[in-house]
Amino acid sequence: QSALTQPASVSGSPGQSITISCTGTSSDVGSYNLVSWYQQHPGKAPKLMIYEVSKRPSGVSNRFSGSKSGNTASLTISGLQAEDETDYYCCSYAGSSTYVFGTGTKVTVL
Amino acid sequence: EVQLVESGGGLVQPGGSLRLACAASGFTFSSYWMHWVRQAPGKGLVWVSGINSDASGTSYADSVKGRFTISRDNAKNTLFLQMNSLRDEDTAVYYCANGAPLNYWGQGTLVTVSS
Repeated sequence: QSALTQPASVSGSPGQSITISCTGTSSDVGSYNLVSWYQQHPGKAPKLMIYEVSKRPSGVSNRFSGSKSGNTASLTISGLQAEDETDYYCCSYAGSSTYVFGTGTKVTVL
Repeated sequence: EVQLVESGGGLVQPGGSLRLACAASGFTFSSYWMHWVRQAPGKGLVWVSGINSDASGTSYADSVKGRFTISRDNAKNTLFLQMNSLRDEDTAVYYCANGAPLNYWGQGTLVTVSS
C-alpha cells in the first residue's frame, strides 16, 4: 500500500495547459480503470474532479480531463485559471476493496 | 443536498481510544460504500478504511489493521470508526466519504494523539 507518486509541484501561466502525473504499479493504477482525482483547497474537504480515469462528475468544468497509460494516470487542466491554484490528489483502487492516494501536487498559477 | 458531518475527534494520549462518527443525510445511506480517509497536518490524503453498504464487508489500510474498526448503523444513517491503541502518527483530520469512487466528503474531525 505505497502511495502513488505525483510531482510535488506543477506551475503554469493563465490560459496554459498543465498535466499532473500519477504513477503507481501493476497492482493498482495498471490493473484497474478506477483512478480518480481530487482538488483540495486549504482547510477544505477534497472535491471529486475525475473518476474512472476520464469521467467528469456533473458540475466539474470540462477544462479538467483525465487519461491513463500503463501504470501512470494523468490529470490535465486546460485554460489554467487563478482559481485552479491549489492541491490535487490522485487515487486508485488497489484490489481487495482498498484504495491508495497519491502524494499530492501543488498547482501554482504564475 | 448530501451532507456528511464527522464528530468525536479530540485529544487522546498514546495507547488510548477514540470513536468517530459520521452522520449522513441527503442520500440513501444504506446503498453506498462508506470510507474513512485521514490527513496529517500539512501532509497528503491517506485512505484508512471502507465498509460496504450492508456492513458485510470491511477493508483497512495496513497501518491501522488490527487497531481500527469500521462499522455502520444504516437505521441511523451513521458511520463509525473505533480507534484503539492510538499512536502519535495517527494524529490527523479524519474525513468520511461516500461511494466508490469517494464522492462526497465531510469537513473532517481532528484527532490529536499526544501525551
